[in-house]
Amino acid sequence: EPEVTQTPSHQVTQMGQEVILRCVPISNHLYFYWYRQILGQKVEFLVSFYNNEISEKSEIFDDQFSVERPDGSNFTLKIRSTKLEDSAMYFCASSVRAGNTIYFGEGSWLTVV
Amino acid sequence: AQSVTQLDSHVSVSEGTPVLLRCNYSSSYSPSLFWYVQHPNKGLQLLLKYTSAATLVKGINGFEAEFKKSETSFHLTKPSAHMSDAAEYFCVVSDENQAGTALIFGKGTTLSVSS
Repeated sequence: EPEVTQTPSHQVTQMGQEVILRCVPISNHLYFYWYRQILGQKVEFLVSFYNNEISEKSEIFDDQFSVERPDGSNFTLKIRSTKLEDSAMYFCASSVRAGNTIYFGEGSWLTVV
Repeated sequence: AQSVTQLDSHVSVSEGTPVLLRCNYSSSYSPSLFWYVQHPNKGLQLLLKYTSAATLVKGINGFEAEFKKSETSFHLTKPSAHMSDAAEYFCVVSDENQAGTALIFGKGTTLSVSS
């Protein structure tokens, strides 16, 4: 069964460093998403991406965050200068189109020290 | 604004007994509603979804949920719990009248199953 894959599964980084989280969405999907879950808190929407541009973003997704689809298969989330409060599990997801079922990856656990 | 409220942060049942995980939603439009499950160190897996068709929705692993508009509820049930059902369960709403791109998650309910 096709699945969303994410790398790395776990990354530890120093505060102020740049981090790139990578995702390979399901191949025929056109919408891509990033969500995050801070330990003990809700899963929160960050951003959605369609047709090579952001279609929707939350208040959390500030100038420190960016997304990119550098090639035909990868979808990345970059955090420019990490802060302690960026420590969270980051989930990539994809769907065939808006309103369809969203499929999630297993997550990338980011720890900022 | 849309929201979901999961009424119990933790539910404990014995193996073989019924499971009830409660969820209430708030939405201005016709919502799409989902239940996702997260096993330890795993990603979010879709259990079932409601999208304005039948109000009783059957999902994977014997779970089902009933959409009750009058009560604004979408409770998740299973007749007989199995040890492997122990996980975190999330009730989720999506506003189908918008682009439908953002899902709103509840805080989650941890289901514990004892033998």
